[in-house]
Amino acid sequence: SQELEQSPQSLIVQEGKNLTINCTSSKTLYGLYWYKQKYGEGLIFLMMLQKGGEEKSHEKITAKLDEKKQQSSLHITASQPSHAGIYLCGADPFFYGQNFVFGPGTRLSVLP
Amino acid sequence: SQTIHQWPATLVQPVGSPLSLECTVEGTSNPNLYWYRQAAGRGLQLLFYSVGIGQISSEVPQNLSASRPQDRQFILSSKKLLLSDSGFYLCAWSPGTGGNQPQHFGDGTRLSIL
Repeated sequence: SQELEQSPQSLIVQEGKNLTINCTSSKTLYGLYWYKQKYGEGLIFLMMLQKGGEEKSHEKITAKLDEKKQQSSLHITASQPSHAGIYLCGADPFFYGQNFVFGPGTRLSVLP
Repeated sequence: SQTIHQWPATLVQPVGSPLSLECTVEGTSNPNLYWYRQAAGRGLQLLFYSVGIGQISSEVPQNLSASRPQDRQFILSSKKLLLSDSGFYLCAWSPGTGGNQPQHFGDGTRLSIL
């Protein structure tokens, strides 16, 4: 079955610093999704990557999918306290996404 | 635009009591619907998914059941709650067609079993 690993498990950075979160799959990904979750709330969809080498950006967050489509990174530039939360990657192991799986999450704290 | 509503936001129930959590989606037709559980310190676990009315697939054997009585309504139930049913329950939807599509989540229900 598809498994996703994330690193680091948690991250504390000073406001203004850049950071990177990684998501690694045991199998080729047909779709890789990044979500953000604030404690006690639902997940907010950030970005979806489908093609090997694809890169997408939204405001100060950039996500990349490697050529082999087994690893993705989420990069935040000039972090702000509003970036704090849990970042989860999710994946479609099958085309129709009925067995969607999530990584364990990376907890990000941004110190003002 | 599409919206997803999930209620209640929090629930405290005694062991052995029944459970009913409801989720509805607006602004779309024939969505795929999902129930997840997020236990403390653990990742998201897919419990059930549905591709249409009356069509429910279960990912893990458990004390819970799901039903989809209407196209945009998804209900999570239990006849007798266990302590291990405590957790944060999330409903999600994705478009029923169009290949790879992201899932969109409700605000969640925090369930505490006493």
